[in-house]
This record gives sequence, structure tokens and C-alpha cells, in this order.
Amino acid sequence: ETGVTQTPRHLVMGMTNKKSLKCEQHLGHNAMYWYKQSAKKPLELMFVYSLEERVENNSVPSRFSPECPNSSHLFLHLHTLQPEDSALYLCASSQAFGSDLNEQFFGPGTRLTVL
Amino acid sequence: EDQVTQSPEALRLQEGESSSLNCSYTVSGLRGLFWYRQDPGKGPEFLFTLYSAGEEKEKERLKATLTKKESFLHITAPKPEDSATYLCAVCRSGSARQLTFGSGTQLTVLP
Repeated sequence: ETGVTQTPRHLVMGMTNKKSLKCEQHLGHNAMYWYKQSAKKPLELMFVYSLEERVENNSVPSRFSPECPNSSHLFLHLHTLQPEDSALYLCASSQAFGSDLNEQFFGPGTRLTVL
Repeated sequence: EDQVTQSPEALRLQEGESSSLNCSYTVSGLRGLFWYRQDPGKGPEFLFTLYSAGEEKEKERLKATLTKKESFLHITAPKPEDSATYLCAVCRSGSARQLTFGSGTQLTVLP
């Protein structure tokens, strides 16, 4: 595997289900991100994990729960979702040292549909 | 609050017809501006980072420029394979991780 991989690529779930999205980066990076991309809307940063910080977008509902067990893996746990949560969920990674600004590399995304 | 506005929302060009995409931004101290390309069903692909007004970067038929208020992505003699959505994002001073994205410009290049 190379780059940033995400599984599953497609997910359909009911409002009462619990599921998890998985992201793995094979680039040796030390920062990982979750973004939400809804139709006709800008990418919205949800969470950032790096050696130095964990950042949460305060507008993200608590039904989304991130987990970052190490620098290569990132999960997004989903529970009691709403239909408006249907979107493309993108994972990204970057090299992060202090205040260096480095480009983020994105995975292909998980297309989530909540019924 | 940081804001990024991209125009036009959609652009259709004939093959070989050059044009420019605009990204206007409002940010409290620009750390850097990014351009990405996104194909349908895929994640964004990094193109350029610009750091200061007057800076320019080129890659094949693409050239990105930056002023204090906006950035342009110039496409010279585009080909059908340049069809994609082009995204602009800014990173503010004091943050090396958090990007604010625009809604993108969907470019279609007709053969």
C-alpha cells in the first residue's frame, strides 16, 4: 500500500448503527486529519492529531468520535448519525515539525450514506 | 473568521482555450495558500503552496500566483485531462495544521 488509504470506500448505515472509518498513512508522516466534504460545500476540518496537538472543530457533533492509536492510523467512530451526516469523509496526513507548513496528502475518502 | 471564496463555481473551456481561476481570501495573517486538484470519487491532490505576495509557481500547464488578497490559477492551453475541481485553501499565521478551504471551481475542458 502507498499513500493514504481509507476503508471502507462506501458505507450505508441506519441512524441507530455504530460503525467506524479507518485511515492508514504509509508516508511516514506524524500528523493526521479528518475532513467532511458535503455537496456544494467547502471541505470542513473535523479533527487534527499530531505529536504536539489534538485539535477539534467545536462545531462537530459528539456522535463523531476520533481515535488515533499511533502516527500511522486514524479512526472515526460513528454512532447515532443523522441523514445530514451523509457526505464524503476524507482523511489526510502531513509531516509536522513545530511551525513548518507542509502540504497535506489526502486519501480517496469514504462515501457515507445515513438512512 | 477566515474566509475563502472561489470563482467561478464552474467553467467550461474548449481545448486550448486559456483561462484563470480566482481564489479570494480573508485571513488574519497568511501563513500559506494551497491549491489542490480533485477528480470525481477521489481525494484532493496537492498542486502548489504559495507563501507571500508576488510569488509564482508553475507545473506543466498550470501557473499559480499570489497577491495580498487573492490567488489565481492560470491554465494555459488546457487539455481534457485537466478537467477536475480545483480547490484553494489558506492557513493562517500561528497554525501549521488547520486549513480553510473554498468551495472549488469545477473545470470542464471540452475536446
